[in-house]
Amino acid sequence: EIVMTQSPATLSVSPGERATLSCRASQSVSSNLAWYQQKPGQAPRLLIYGASTRATGIPARFSGSASGTEFTLTISSLQSEDFAVYYCQQYNNWPRTFGQGTKVEIK
Amino acid sequence: QITLKESGPTLVKPTQTLTLTCTFSGFSLSTSGVGVGWIRQPPGKALEWLALIYWDDDNRYSPSLKSRLTITKDTSKNQVVLTMTNMDPVDTATYYCAHSPLWGMDVWGQGTTVTVSS
Repeated sequence: EIVMTQSPATLSVSPGERATLSCRASQSVSSNLAWYQQKPGQAPRLLIYGASTRATGIPARFSGSASGTEFTLTISSLQSEDFAVYYCQQYNNWPRTFGQGTKVEIK
Repeated sequence: QITLKESGPTLVKPTQTLTLTCTFSGFSLSTSGVGVGWIRQPPGKALEWLALIYWDDDNRYSPSLKSRLTITKDTSKNQVVLTMTNMDPVDTATYYCAHSPLWGMDVWGQGTTVTVSS
C-alpha cells in the first residue's frame, strides 16, 4: 500500500499570502495524484488531478506541481474561503490512499 | 449535472451489517471509464478510501476491510450499494460516495453519518 505523507499538519497563513502544501508518496505514483479541499461539515471537493490539472471551476490561484514522488499544492493568494483542510490522494495503485490532511488556518 | 446521494441507517448496533445506497444522476455506470467509489471519515479524522466499482464490474477494496465489504451496482436504478459486515464502534464515520472516473473522484455526495453503538 502506498503511504501518502502530507506536511505540515497545520499551516497558519494570513489572507493574501501564499500557501504551499506538500505531499510525499512512499513510491512512484506517476502523475496520478489529486488534491481535495474540505470545509467543516462539507464533502471534499476535487481541486487538482493529474498532479497539476485544475478541476472544472477551480480558480487559477490553485496550482499543483510534481517532482518525482513529491507533490505540491500552491495557493497563490489566500482568500477567506480557502481556509480549510486539504488532502492529497494517489490513484495510481490499489488501494487508493489519502494523506492525513493539512489544515490551512488563519494566522 | 452529476449528483450523488448516500442513504442508509444512521445508527447500527455492533456486529450488525451496514447497507448503504448511493443513488446518482447525470451519468451512467454502463459508460466506459466510469466508476463509483466509497470513502469514509471518522469524526475529526482523515479520509479513508473503502471500495470502488467500475462500469465493467471491476471491484476494488481496501485490503484492511476487504473481508467485510461488498460493493455492487444496479445500472437500471442508478445505484451502488456498499455492505459492511460485523460493524464495530470504530466504524462510526461519515460515509461518502463519489463519481470516480479514471482520474480521481470529481463529484461527491453530501455524506451520511453512521454511528455504531449498542
